[in-house]
Amino acid sequence: GESVGLHLPTLSVQEGDNSIINCAYSNSASDYFIWYKQESGKGPQFIIDIRSNMDKRQGQRVTVLLNKTVKHLSLQIAATQPGDSAVYFCAENSGGSNYKLTFGKGTLLTVNP
Amino acid sequence: DGGITQSPKYLFRKEGQNVTLSCEQNLNHDAMYWYRQDPGQGLRLIYYSQIVNDFQKGDIAEGYSVSREKKESFPLTVTSAQKNPTAFYLCASSIPSRGGYTFGSGTRLTVV
Repeated sequence: GESVGLHLPTLSVQEGDNSIINCAYSNSASDYFIWYKQESGKGPQFIIDIRSNMDKRQGQRVTVLLNKTVKHLSLQIAATQPGDSAVYFCAENSGGSNYKLTFGKGTLLTVNP
Repeated sequence: DGGITQSPKYLFRKEGQNVTLSCEQNLNHDAMYWYRQDPGQGLRLIYYSQIVNDFQKGDIAEGYSVSREKKESFPLTVTSAQKNPTAFYLCASSIPSRGGYTFGSGTRLTVV
């Protein structure tokens, strides 16, 4: 998993397995969190978001979990596919300001066929 | 289709030159941002603008300049004062009340 401020970690999974990517955030005032996916040479793409009044949100094959007690965010990808290989970033609106996000350094997910 | 467009995709700069990276959006977003990304690093904020004719420095503004004369456009100039400009530059936009950013596809700048 990743923590804002650490070097880029990597996660390698087999196709069809579930993936869990972690993120620790530091600002207890943050109330909005987003996961982005960035493929090589491209801009980040929005995957899923969650507000601090929720602890779980599901999308298509993805689930975000928020644990405010320990300031931890995770992204779960079900039935991981080769097309899921990318760098995944978490972002938070540090200080509760929606117009400026703070990004983690990302986790490189590699899916092996 | 609405989106955010960065150009050029690749840019080469000689030392001592200023170069300008273009960012245009037709999403009607009020806020726009410029980030720099280095290998294995997260996104670092250069400048951001919440409204037309107003912008603020981010964490690494030295050696960069911006303008916001139109809502749709937020060009970034990398000046000769930026000592290590080789990087991947990302532009983004957002509606502040909604939080999430839409990113462009990036410009890779290389100093030759």
